[in-house]
Amino acid sequence: GEDVEQSLFLSVREGDSSVINCTYTDSSSTYLYWYKQEPGAGLQLLTYIFSNMDMKQDQRLTVLLNKKDKHLSLRIADTQTGDSAIYFCAESIQGYQKVTFGTGTKLQVIP
Amino acid sequence: EAGVTQFPSHSVIEKGQTVTLRCDPISGHDNLYWYRRVMGKEIKFLLHFVKESKQDESGMPNNRFLAERTGGTYSTLKVQPAELEDSGVYFCASSQDWQGEQYFGPGTRLTVT
Repeated sequence: GEDVEQSLFLSVREGDSSVINCTYTDSSSTYLYWYKQEPGAGLQLLTYIFSNMDMKQDQRLTVLLNKKDKHLSLRIADTQTGDSAIYFCAESIQGYQKVTFGTGTKLQVIP
Repeated sequence: EAGVTQFPSHSVIEKGQTVTLRCDPISGHDNLYWYRRVMGKEIKFLLHFVKESKQDESGMPNNRFLAERTGGTYSTLKVQPAELEDSGVYFCASSQDWQGEQYFGPGTRLTVT
């Protein structure tokens, strides 16, 4: 079955790096995503990675995928107060349109 | 271009009442999805429309939930009768094609008392 797990809360100081971790159980996952939800807003797709990749970098964001351990992480360099939000890890299987989400990690950035 | 909109933003109803949530997808998006997040848990898929047809409704919890998308434009999700465990945030998303990025609306927070 599909199950995506992540820690509920992370607190970092402004300027430090944040690392949000996620584990998933479905070995047939093809796409793995990171979504961001700011207060009062919808989910915004931050980045995604295909399961045949092990790393993707996009400006301050670095996604690492360990397919053997089914572990996905999102690193935010030079974390800013505007990065405070809930970050959802998610996965989907090619050909299926439903996205399976984790519980979300609330990132608090301390000035 | 307007994003996905949802109405209302917040609804408070009593157990046993009926509530209808509405989602307006991005214009031209044939694919429309409903998800919900209950009590701070994970966001769960409910169903997927392609135009007016239900492509996948495997996530619908029970027959108290009815989703429609007449004409393939906006969609409604009716809960009748509402139960306490239905409280949560209901998200709608749309995508242009079946492999495309899903754009999410801000959600409707439903509180059943």
